[in-house]
Amino acid sequence: SQKIEQNSEALNIQEGKTATLTCNYTNYSPAYLQWYRQDPGRGPVFLLLIRENEKEKRKERLKVTFDTTLKQSLFHITASQPADSATYLCATCPVGTASKLTFGTGTRLQVTL
Amino acid sequence: EAGVAQSPRYKIIEKRQSVAFWCNPISGHATLYWYQQILGQGPKLLIQFQNNGVVDDSQLPKDRFSAERLKGVDSTLKIQPAKLEDSAVYLCASSLPPEGSLAGELFFGEGSRLTVL
Repeated sequence: SQKIEQNSEALNIQEGKTATLTCNYTNYSPAYLQWYRQDPGRGPVFLLLIRENEKEKRKERLKVTFDTTLKQSLFHITASQPADSATYLCATCPVGTASKLTFGTGTRLQVTL
Repeated sequence: EAGVAQSPRYKIIEKRQSVAFWCNPISGHATLYWYQQILGQGPKLLIQFQNNGVVDDSQLPKDRFSAERLKGVDSTLKIQPAKLEDSAVYLCASSLPPEGSLAGELFFGEGSRLTVL
């Protein structure tokens, strides 16, 4: 079956370090991946989209990579701050369709002083 | 620009009762989604509308859940009768129409938290 997997364990890092979150997918051949941020009690907020022909995408302190060989996307936050503490979700659609955007379980990031 | 509006924010009901959630998407967004998010899990798609037509409802428990999007704008999601396992946050999202197979950025509402006792 098709799966999008993220590390369910929380990631704890110190302020100023780079946080790296992983999104693995199986039985998918996605044309793109989306990344969202979700704060407690709020709806997810879109951050970045990376297409399969883009190896890397950047937005301010955020960087996303997409490795179709490893079937993996990595999400990096450089110079992390306590305000970056949240749950980060990756999502994609089955190939060839724009419907059924499916989310991973999300990884909670905690940035401490 | 106004965001996606949802109501109510919180609802507590007894099992076997019914409940309805309302969503008003961002103006001009043809695509509307309802997701269910159980605590500690990612959002799970229940139903996707394109204007007032259903694009996908393969994960909607149709024996108890129903959704409609009359006139291609507002949408309601109903649960009748509710079960304990329906306790979750129900998220509504909207987006511009997809560009081919590229789904657009989703804009989510704050969600409606349902507790079934």
